[in-house]
Amino acid sequence: GESVGLHLPTLSVQEGDNSIINCAYSNSASDYFIWYKQESGKGPQFIIDIRSNMDKRQGQRVTVLLNKTVKHLSLQIAATQPGDSAVYFCAENRPGNTGKLIFGQGTTLQVKP
Amino acid sequence: SAVISQKPSRDICQRGTSLTIQCQVDSQVTMMFWYRQQPGQSLTLIATANQGSEATYESGFVIDKFPISRPNLTFSTLTVSNMSPEDSSIYLCSVVLQQNTEAFFGQGTRLTVV
Repeated sequence: GESVGLHLPTLSVQEGDNSIINCAYSNSASDYFIWYKQESGKGPQFIIDIRSNMDKRQGQRVTVLLNKTVKHLSLQIAATQPGDSAVYFCAENRPGNTGKLIFGQGTTLQVKP
Repeated sequence: SAVISQKPSRDICQRGTSLTIQCQVDSQVTMMFWYRQQPGQSLTLIATANQGSEATYESGFVIDKFPISRPNLTFSTLTVSNMSPEDSSIYLCSVVLQQNTEAFFGQGTRLTVV
């Protein structure tokens, strides 16, 4: 069935290092993907998105890469900071422009000082 | 963007009772959704809240258990009925302003059923 999964439940990095969080999706018809950050006690917060007609998109300290061939999505965070510690979810827009999202399982990012 | 306010932010309820969660958006939106996030888990879509008509439920969720109201384009409620401890979760309201754009989320309602 449809699913969006993440490879690692927890990622621990040193402050200042780059972080890479991965996600695999199963629906080749999906055309829009979003990364969210969720801090404890809060709702998911939008980080960056990418459409299927792109391979890469950059934001402030974040980059999302999309590999449609292998249905893989990644989020790169440059110079990771303690404030980046959170759970990160990838989400796949369900085909059909319904606004419905399918979320991956989440990766907890721990930043060590 | 959209600012979404949910009430209550958290509650502890007795099993067998019901809780109604409110979601207020600061602008009129067409697409509004309710998600559930079980402890330590990801988000799962419960239903689409349709203005002026019955909500559209995802597989595994039914109206009798999760009745939803959407009286206008800025407000919705989700009721968790006849609660059991398995209903302990975070319930999140979400809106999408335009098709194929990001969803905005409220801060969630953390429900504990004892």
